[in-house]
Amino acid sequence: QQQVKQSPQSLIVQKGGISIINCAYENTAFDYFPWYQQFPGKGPALLIAIRPDVSEKKEGRFTISFNKSAKQFSLHIMDSQPGDSATYFCAAETPPGNQFYFGTGTSLTVIP
Amino acid sequence: DVKVTQSSRYLVKRTGEKVFLECVQDMDHENMFWYRQDPGLGLRLIYFSYDVKMKEKGDIPEGYSVSREKKERFSLILESASTNQTSMYLCASTRDRGLYEQYFGPGTRLTVT
Repeated sequence: QQQVKQSPQSLIVQKGGISIINCAYENTAFDYFPWYQQFPGKGPALLIAIRPDVSEKKEGRFTISFNKSAKQFSLHIMDSQPGDSATYFCAAETPPGNQFYFGTGTSLTVIP
Repeated sequence: DVKVTQSSRYLVKRTGEKVFLECVQDMDHENMFWYRQDPGLGLRLIYFSYDVKMKEKGDIPEGYSVSREKKERFSLILESASTNQTSMYLCASTRDRGLYEQYFGPGTRLTVT
């Protein structure tokens, strides 16, 4: 059973456009929601993360929107660039700590 | 610069062989993890360890075992490799329990024929 459901599976966006990836969860005990970015041939790397007491977090062109009541969170990439082309994973962590559940991943392609 | 290294990038083994995947981190992290990554399934946790000689089962431990004899090293063992264990294997570590970033290695692509 997938603890964190991610969509879409793949996404193609024009350069300069907005990329949006969505995730949903059921377990209200999750207390940390990171997004990881993975380039081909590399391991995932932390991109941005949010705690459920915050509704939005922004770091440069990347924003997480968090809706606690709907149990959903999303990643927005503004002004998408070809260098953003990668696979993105959402995740959720359970207390007492450190067991992560990952979404199934979204392959993003940004067309020049 | 933090680093997680995995012993092999690519590995080809035959069905029934015993396979060792090694992971080393140089960050003095407490926690280490083994995941497998398959298309459409994302990352699935196999085993993790909070301390030396400790291990906990993740979501898909069947067919795998682990060993953590030293803090910096976490090994994944396939006792008798099968074709359905063909996958990308990722090792990760975190500083401690809690809201900490996972640092991943580059992965080992294992093919079992």
